[in-house]
Amino acid sequence: DAGITQSPRHKVTETGTPVTLRCHQTENHRYMYWYRQDPGHGLRLIHYSYGVKDTDKGEVSDGYSVSRSKTEDFLLTLESATSSQTSVYFCAISASEYGYTFGSGTRLTVV
Amino acid sequence: QKEVEQDPGPLSVPEGAIVSLNCTYSNSAFQYFMWYRQYSRKGPELLMYTYSSGNKEDGRFTAQVDKSSKYISLFIRDSQPSDSATYLCAMSAGGRRALTFGSGTRLQVQP
Repeated sequence: DAGITQSPRHKVTETGTPVTLRCHQTENHRYMYWYRQDPGHGLRLIHYSYGVKDTDKGEVSDGYSVSRSKTEDFLLTLESATSSQTSVYFCAISASEYGYTFGSGTRLTVV
Repeated sequence: QKEVEQDPGPLSVPEGAIVSLNCTYSNSAFQYFMWYRQYSRKGPELLMYTYSSGNKEDGRFTAQVDKSSKYISLFIRDSQPSDSATYLCAMSAGGRRALTFGSGTRLQVQP
């Protein structure tokens, strides 16, 4: 996807281990978001950022933390992964009220 | 009860059919309405957007918003097998804090 890259694309991890997902943008947009997608729930907001070091919680933030030390990078950390955090994680950037662009996603499996 | 309700389908139609996809919502503060298309194992991509009430047409696609009924629709004319995907409605109150998504409708267009 143009201007936004997620890494890794796939990850399998064990319960109780920390996991960090990375979102990198080349568009210099102020707003960045982390969503998770689960069957029957659509996409749900975990955290978002409105600038360097400025973040806020979303609907499903428990168990997750984020950091943004540079405009281009937004990190999502699962401090101690649980099986309920098995999901597909999408990062998004926003250029306008309509202009949300999503990355290709990270498939995370917690075993 | 979810803020945005969307029939998950699956919806199966023959090629050339007119498809109607719908969402209802409960938050009267929503002003920005979007439809995303998501192919399997890909990120959502913006298909159509509208502000407040009214219609918007783009090629074979028409988006309608009825704020009085809290109901939005996406119509696809002359559907093609390449339209087979999951369609997600999304909406926000503005300020770029979050998009609220429906759970998605899976559409299959049979050749």
